[in-house]
Amino acid sequence: GQQVMQIPQYQHVQEGEDFTTYCNSSTTLSNIQWYKQRPGGHPVFLIQLVKSGEVKKQKRLTFQFGEAKKNSSLHITATQTTDVGTYFCAGRMTTDSWGKFQFGAGTQVVVTP
Amino acid sequence: KAGVTQTPRYLIKTRGQQVTLSCSPISGHRSVSWYQQTPGQGLQFLFEYFSETQRNKGNFPGRFSGRQFSNSRSEMNVSTLELGDSALYLCASSGGSNTEAFFGQGTRLTVV
Repeated sequence: GQQVMQIPQYQHVQEGEDFTTYCNSSTTLSNIQWYKQRPGGHPVFLIQLVKSGEVKKQKRLTFQFGEAKKNSSLHITATQTTDVGTYFCAGRMTTDSWGKFQFGAGTQVVVTP
Repeated sequence: KAGVTQTPRYLIKTRGQQVTLSCSPISGHRSVSWYQQTPGQGLQFLFEYFSETQRNKGNFPGRFSGRQFSNSRSEMNVSTLELGDSALYLCASSGGSNTEAFFGQGTRLTVV
């Protein structure tokens, strides 16, 4: 079954608003990556988090890795229409280099002007 | 630098047939992973190869197999196709286990 859960599955956002998508794992992750997939496109890498409690920012996007390395979040401020797409988190299941790499089901984001 | 190349882009097969999909990773990348993407199931992990060795395998039946060649190119084979195998198959390459993955455009397989 799915070991990496993402919520919400869908997110309708008014342009200019903020939103957060969450990623939760049943097991400790060695690292977590976030990807964005535009409609009709393929996933594109956004960021990787490795350290417990790590926070990284990319312009309007803020990524966090939980202290226990079991959860992560992506917060987008002042949403724009270019933020439309599906955001996936993906985590390496163990601390071994070749532990299974699993994607969450994604959060599909729709932005209304 | 050329990106990840997947061929063919589109494929239509009938039930019971078999299919081989190809993935050429970014030059210098030795890790290749395969994923199945369907609207209801998201991205499902199939296999991960590094230096011609399968490092990980997802929870797919034995009809799904793969391999990686010495030049890091990878192939995925699905035998005895079923209607439920219709999906977008994505290949991703990376430099190693903890580096970013670069995805190809995918192969859209339709089984009729």
